[in-house]
Amino acid sequence: NAGVTQTPKFRVLKTGQSMTLLCAQDMNHEYMYWYRQDPGMGLRLIHYSVGEGTTAKGEVPDGYNVSRLKKQNFLLGLESAAPSQTSVYFCASLPTGPYNEQFFGPGTRLTVL
Amino acid sequence: AQTVTQSQPEMSVQEAETVTLSCTYDTSESDYYLFWYKQPPSRQMILVIRQEAYKQQNATENRFSVNFQKAAKSFSLKISDSQLGDAAMYFCAYRRKNTGNQFYFGTGTSLTVIP
Repeated sequence: NAGVTQTPKFRVLKTGQSMTLLCAQDMNHEYMYWYRQDPGMGLRLIHYSVGEGTTAKGEVPDGYNVSRLKKQNFLLGLESAAPSQTSVYFCASLPTGPYNEQFFGPGTRLTVL
Repeated sequence: AQTVTQSQPEMSVQEAETVTLSCTYDTSESDYYLFWYKQPPSRQMILVIRQEAYKQQNATENRFSVNFQKAAKSFSLKISDSQLGDAAMYFCAYRRKNTGNQFYFGTGTSLTVIP
C-alpha cells in the first residue's frame, strides 16, 4: 500500500512554461485535494474533487486547472507558470465516512524562475 | 468562509515539560471536525489528534490532548512530557461536514524542543 504519491518531487520551471503534477492514491478514496503551502500561510486549497470525473474550485484556484479522469489520480496543471506559483504543493485524499482525516502525499517543491 | 487562526508562530518547550498550542476558528456551522496535524522537517503531514464538534469530551492520544471550547471556538493542543521528536510545525485544521468535506488550515506553529 503506497498511500498517496506525488510526481515529481522537485521541479524548476521558467516563467511561461507549463507542467502537470500527478497525484495517485491506492486506497480507493473518493475525495482528493490539491493544496499549496507557502511560508507563513499554512496550506491553502487550490482545487478538489468529490469523485471520479468531478472537480471544484478551492480558495486559490487562479492559474491552475485539474482533472480527475480516474478515481485514483488527480492531476494539477499549470498552463503558464508564474513566479508567484513557486511553492510546495501537497495532494491529499479522504475516504468517505465521518470523522476521517486526510492522507497526504510527500509534497512537490516547485520553483518558477 | 471558515478561518482558522494560530496566533503563535513559534513556541519552545524544555524536554519533558508541557506546552500548549492555541487555535481559534470562525464558523457559522454547528457540526464539524477539528484536527491537529504535525509536519516535521521531512514535510510529511501526520495526524496528531481529532475532535468532533458534537462530542463534549476532549480527545486524548497518549501525550497529546486537546481543550475544545465550542462556544469560544477554541481548540488548543497540549503536549505533555515533550520529546525531541515532537519538534515540528503544527497545524490546526477545520473540516466541514458538507459535500466537499473541505479542510481549512491555520498558518501553523513551529515548536522547538530544548534538550
